Amino acid sequence: DAMVIQNPRYQVTQFGKPVTLSCSQTLNHNVMYWYQQKSSQAPKLLFHYYDKDFNNEADTPDNFQSRRPNTSFCFLDIRSPGLGDAAMYLCATSREARTTDTQYFGPGTRLTVL
Amino acid sequence: DQQVKQNSPSLSVQEGRISILNCDYTNSMFDYFLWYKKYPAEGPTFLISISSIKDKNEDGRFTVFLNKSAKHLSLHIVPSQPGDSAVYFCAASGSGTYKYIFGTGTRLKVLA
Repeated sequence: DAMVIQNPRYQVTQFGKPVTLSCSQTLNHNVMYWYQQKSSQAPKLLFHYYDKDFNNEADTPDNFQSRRPNTSFCFLDIRSPGLGDAAMYLCATSREARTTDTQYFGPGTRLTVL
Repeated sequence: DQQVKQNSPSLSVQEGRISILNCDYTNSMFDYFLWYKKYPAEGPTFLISISSIKDKNEDGRFTVFLNKSAKHLSLHIVPSQPGDSAVYFCAASGSGTYKYIFGTGTRLKVLA
């Protein structure tokens, strides 16, 4: 089955210790998104890639970076996690960057910062 | 400023009855709306969408209604089933962008 996979599902890191979350897709979609969702809040877009073109949201902290080495994989790097970065991180893909192109989500990685 | 609002954090409905989930938005430039369903430990899955040129879209037991003048949309599930118990997110797009703006979600519990 074509899908969006996120690893690990649960990640524990220490305050200030860099962490990388991984997303892969078998859908061959051009666009990959990273969302942050805190408890009882709406998923919030951090950034997305259209192919190799990186698009950062204006209010995404510099602490968050992303890499997309190829079509299938996209990584979220948090350089110095703070306690406020504890959240669910959702990866999503869409075929194209059009309003009507449905976004398909992975199961998420829950990040805990100690 | 939250552009998409789901004011009911939770809703309980008896099996077989209608579930109505509501969503309000503030940006009149939004022209495409979606509902996603999320089970625990899974990512959101697309459920149904509606374009602003329509006021209703139906897919099986699920119907989405759009009232542009009120900036309001609703999702009707008839009849509700225990398997529908999940968190439902409303999302909006448009205003010159393809990005989604999500609401905070409504947790639906369908009681057997």
